[in-house]
Amino acid sequence: AAGVIQSPRHLIKEKRETATLKCYPIPRHDTVYWYQQGPGQDPQFLISFYEKMQSDKGSIPDRFSAQQFSDYHSELNMSSLELGDSALYFCASSSADRGRWEQFFGPGTRLTVL
Amino acid sequence: KQEVTQIPAALSVPEGENLVLNCSFTDSAIYNLQWFRQDPGKGLTSLLLIQSSQREQTSGRLNASLDKSSGRSTLYIAASQPGDSATYLCAVRPANTDKLIFGTGTRLQVFP
Repeated sequence: AAGVIQSPRHLIKEKRETATLKCYPIPRHDTVYWYQQGPGQDPQFLISFYEKMQSDKGSIPDRFSAQQFSDYHSELNMSSLELGDSALYFCASSSADRGRWEQFFGPGTRLTVL
Repeated sequence: KQEVTQIPAALSVPEGENLVLNCSFTDSAIYNLQWFRQDPGKGLTSLLLIQSSQREQTSGRLNASLDKSSGRSTLYIAASQPGDSATYLCAVRPANTDKLIFGTGTRLQVFP
């Protein structure tokens, strides 16, 4: 079965640079979620989109922005990168199938800021 | 504020044992609860989802129960195998939000 696709899988950036992470949800899933997992920590919710509109917002820094496009893929844009942004970034997707909203996660993008 | 706790933090058992992993949450106003498996440095694999109106869900050797009123869920793993070694995370979705709030996980090691 098709899964959530994230690209790139690994990214190395310098401080103050920008980064763009991409997420392609499971086909026919209309909701996308972004999470950040720091070293040794549990995933923290950043932001979500339903039908291309922002639907919920968590602890996402103002330096970060995201959007969902007409084909339902999503991009997380990160500017003025800081050392503390080094983490594993997950995208998840879901649909309202039988009202379940089960979230399926992608493999993650490992961002390293030097 | 919803808080999710998992006990034990780590568990090491011989192959073949039946296991119980515990998850507790402080606010019973949840939409659903998911159990995930995470291998080191890898993504999260959804194991089971329990809706707030359900009491339990089963998938193969896994059984998850939910007692919403007491803020507890358990994941039961039957006949454990070395391939079950991973970190198990429970996550609750509070009512009227999209986000999952994760517990700190139980790191499981099953040795032959």
